[in-house]
Amino acid sequence: DAKTTQPPSMDCAEGRAANLPCNHSTISGNEYVYWYRQIHSQGPQYIIHGLKNNETNEMASLIITEDRKSSTLILPHATLRDTAVYYCIVFRANQAGTALIFGKGTTLSVSS
Amino acid sequence: SAVISQKPSRDICQRGTSLTIQCQVDSQVTMMFWYRQQPGQSLTLIATANQGSEATYESGFVIDKFPISRPNLTFSTLTVSNMSPEDSSIYLCSVNLGGEQYFGPGTRLTVT
Repeated sequence: DAKTTQPPSMDCAEGRAANLPCNHSTISGNEYVYWYRQIHSQGPQYIIHGLKNNETNEMASLIITEDRKSSTLILPHATLRDTAVYYCIVFRANQAGTALIFGKGTTLSVSS
Repeated sequence: SAVISQKPSRDICQRGTSLTIQCQVDSQVTMMFWYRQQPGQSLTLIATANQGSEATYESGFVIDKFPISRPNLTFSTLTVSNMSPEDSSIYLCSVNLGGEQYFGPGTRLTVT
């Protein structure tokens, strides 16, 4: 799977939007962009994924550039409970037997 | 979705001993994955376990150290053998279901 590059840490004020960038310049045409987060001492939690169109769910929005070489995860109104490590992963979904490979992620700190 | 439970949730073990971690899933899945997360680090894939066949190990992990069983489609065990303090980590099991990867809560292992 292609590798991703994320900033090691970011800060965000509570109630503001958190915009987490990810570069994946070597992504293949059949690879999706997945975002997971890990709150301290818990297992990773799925947030959202997309192929080339922007996606939105109850947790977040995912904006993927037209060339698919980068993306941004948006938490529209960050809360203290959003403090976590956020992982951007490119992945061939539906490929049996393939596991997610995690990079170092971005540690998001939300403060009041 | 899939709900995954792990036992034990945590343990403190003496060096040279072995610990077996259990993973139970509420759905039948073909593949189960085992990860290790060392203190302050990201998740590293240990192996992929397919029901009815031998597990496939990632580079740096061997069957003698981390034997895995996969007796049916909802259960797996990972044994950490002949433990040393370097094995102190969180061990997580994971499954891929419907294109999404789900994680257990993890087993926090401390080796003294």
